[in-house]
Amino acid sequence: DTGVSQDPRHKITKRGQNVTFRCDPISEHNRLYWYRQTLGQGPEFLTYFQNEAQLEKSRLLSDRFSAERPKGSFSTLEIQRTEQGDSAMYLCASSLGSVGLLHFGNGTRLTVT
Amino acid sequence: GESVGLHLPTLSVQEGDNSIINCAYSNSASDYFIWYKQESGKGPQFIIDIRSNMDKRQGQRVTVLLNKTVKHLSLQIAATQPGDSAVYFCAENLGPRGAGGTSYGKLTFGQGTILTVHP
Repeated sequence: DTGVSQDPRHKITKRGQNVTFRCDPISEHNRLYWYRQTLGQGPEFLTYFQNEAQLEKSRLLSDRFSAERPKGSFSTLEIQRTEQGDSAMYLCASSLGSVGLLHFGNGTRLTVT
Repeated sequence: GESVGLHLPTLSVQEGDNSIINCAYSNSASDYFIWYKQESGKGPQFIIDIRSNMDKRQGQRVTVLLNKTVKHLSLQIAATQPGDSAVYFCAENLGPRGAGGTSYGKLTFGQGTILTVHP
C-alpha cells in the first residue's frame, strides 16, 4: 500500500501523559497536513508542512501540541500533558503540487481517560 | 464568517436510487472544492473535485455541480449501492496563495452528511 500511513491506529492514554503520533506521507508528496476530527464533525486543520518547513499553524494548535517533519518525509505530532478534550481522531494528509487534493491516512484515534 | 456547511445531516435511500447531497459555502473566493467519502474507522477518501471555473464535473456514477451564484455545491450519486453508505463531506480550499498563485491546499470541511443505502 503506497498511501498515507499513520501509526498507531489507536492510542489510549491517561490525562497528563505525553503522546506522539507518526505519519508517513505518499513518498513523492512534498506537502503534509495534520487535521483533527471529533465525532460527527468534519476534519479541522491543525498544521501544514511544505517539505521540512512548517508554514502554517491553526489556533487550535495550542502550546501543548508540536509537529515536526525533520527530513521532509515523515512527520510526528506530539501532544504534551494530554487533556480529555484532546480525545479525537488525528488525521494526516499529503499532497503534491498546487492542485490542493489531499490524500488522507486512516488516522490515529486518541482516547484520553 | 467563512464556513462550509451541509443542508441535510442524514439521507436514506433505496439501493438503485439516485442520491443528492448538498453543501453550502460562504467564501466566494474559494476556487477549488472536493467531495470526500468517509467510512467508519477510515480517513476521508477522495470522490470528485471541481474548480470554480466549471459548473459540472462527472466521474464514475458521481457528478458534482457547482452554483457560484448561490454558493452551492452538490454531489449526485447514480444507482446508489449499499457500499456507498458512508459520511460525505464537502471541502473548500481556503488556503493562502504563494508565488504564482499556488494554493497551499488547506481545506476547510463541512459537518458531513450520513448516507444510508437500504438493500
